[in-house]
Amino acid sequence: KAGVTQTPRYLIKTRGQQVTLSCSPISGHRSVSWYQQTPGQGLQFLFEYFSETQRNKGNFPGRFSGRQFSNSRSEMNVSTLELGDSALYLCASRANSQDTQYFGPGTRLTVL
Amino acid sequence: AQKVTQAQTEISVVEKEDVTLDCVYETRDTTYYLFWYKQPPSGELVFLIRRNSFDEQNEISGRYSWNFQKSTSSFNFTITASQVVDSAVYFCALSGETSGSRLTFGEGTQLTVNP
Repeated sequence: KAGVTQTPRYLIKTRGQQVTLSCSPISGHRSVSWYQQTPGQGLQFLFEYFSETQRNKGNFPGRFSGRQFSNSRSEMNVSTLELGDSALYLCASRANSQDTQYFGPGTRLTVL
Repeated sequence: AQKVTQAQTEISVVEKEDVTLDCVYETRDTTYYLFWYKQPPSGELVFLIRRNSFDEQNEISGRYSWNFQKSTSSFNFTITASQVVDSAVYFCALSGETSGSRLTFGEGTQLTVNP
């Protein structure tokens, strides 16, 4: 069974731009979560989507948003990029509540 | 609030040495779940093991073993006979009934295994 895939793997943007990251979960998994990893803050939870509904949200500003499609694929959008948004963005999927989350390879975003 | 502490920032060992990574957690949940993930330089978080709060049985899987002790709120991970390929950052993580899907991660321990 294929693992979690994320596109693109690398992205370079400038301040003020917006960006959309994509995540395809493991086949059959209905939940997708997003995490941000930075050297200073470590791994932080952004939000979770389950069956197209946001079920849980971390402490991030409204510039960070997401959605999930009927095929469970998810996108994350960051508007008005700031230098501090430079990070590795990781997506994880799981089948149901309390199941183990499996992570994708991540998208490394650099904001110049 | 939940918290995970990995006091060891970096560990360096020579190949074939045994190494233990420490993890201490805090939670008010009665039911919770503990995890270890490995992050090689490529960046992907690789799942290693999961333990439920109601299952204190320790486990050995090949060169890996885990020691879960609720009395001390610890979930330590040992690699026996370490290999260069074990070099990575290891994260301990926690989720619980009140946090739902949210994983709370420790700061990570950078393990370097030298030949």
